[in-house]
Amino acid sequence: TQLLEQSPQFLSIQEGENLTVYCNSSSVFSSLQWYRQEPGEGPVLLVTVVTGGEVKKLKRLTFQFGDARKDSSLHITAAQPGDTGLYLCAGPPITTSGTYKYIFGTGTRLKVLA
Amino acid sequence: EPEVTQTPSHQVTQMGQEVILRCVPISNHLYFYWYRQILGQKVEFLVSFYNNEISEKSEIFDDQFSVERPDGSNFTLKIRSTKLEDSAMYFCAGQGVGQETQYFGPGTRLLVL
Repeated sequence: TQLLEQSPQFLSIQEGENLTVYCNSSSVFSSLQWYRQEPGEGPVLLVTVVTGGEVKKLKRLTFQFGDARKDSSLHITAAQPGDTGLYLCAGPPITTSGTYKYIFGTGTRLKVLA
Repeated sequence: EPEVTQTPSHQVTQMGQEVILRCVPISNHLYFYWYRQILGQKVEFLVSFYNNEISEKSEIFDDQFSVERPDGSNFTLKIRSTKLEDSAMYFCAGQGVGQETQYFGPGTRLLVL
């Protein structure tokens, strides 16, 4: 069974603090996507990382794809209350069948206190 | 910016009834997916669809489920005889050729009573 484990599951921090969310698997992924999901809504894409070792920055958010393409991280600098939400990693594991279906991570629920 | 849309946003139905969930993907996407998310659980894959046929389906996607793209725009998921355990958020997603990223719709919340 292919799994994407995210840690931590829950994170409550003060405004201005930095944080890192991890997404790990024993499987190799073709790419990894990070989404943010609000309650009752669909996942909204933040970033796609494709190349092993790739780093992408989106304002205060920094995303990294592991060299072996089995893991990824999301780092938020100087968190703000508007960053509060559920963060999901997801992607298509590389398989012999050439599937494109996404495996989703277990999610990290972030709360940033003012 | 183009978006994936889904209708209805909410659907309440009685057990045993048929429901059809509709999705309008982004126009240049050719790969389509349905996922579901039971309350409090992670998003899980149901089915993928390409070139007017199912390319892959999960064990959840049994004979009660079907998908079609009847008119080249709408992409539908039909559940023939709903069960209580079908209650979930259902998300449609689309993907362009040669692209890694899937774009998700806002979801349909299905409640089976």
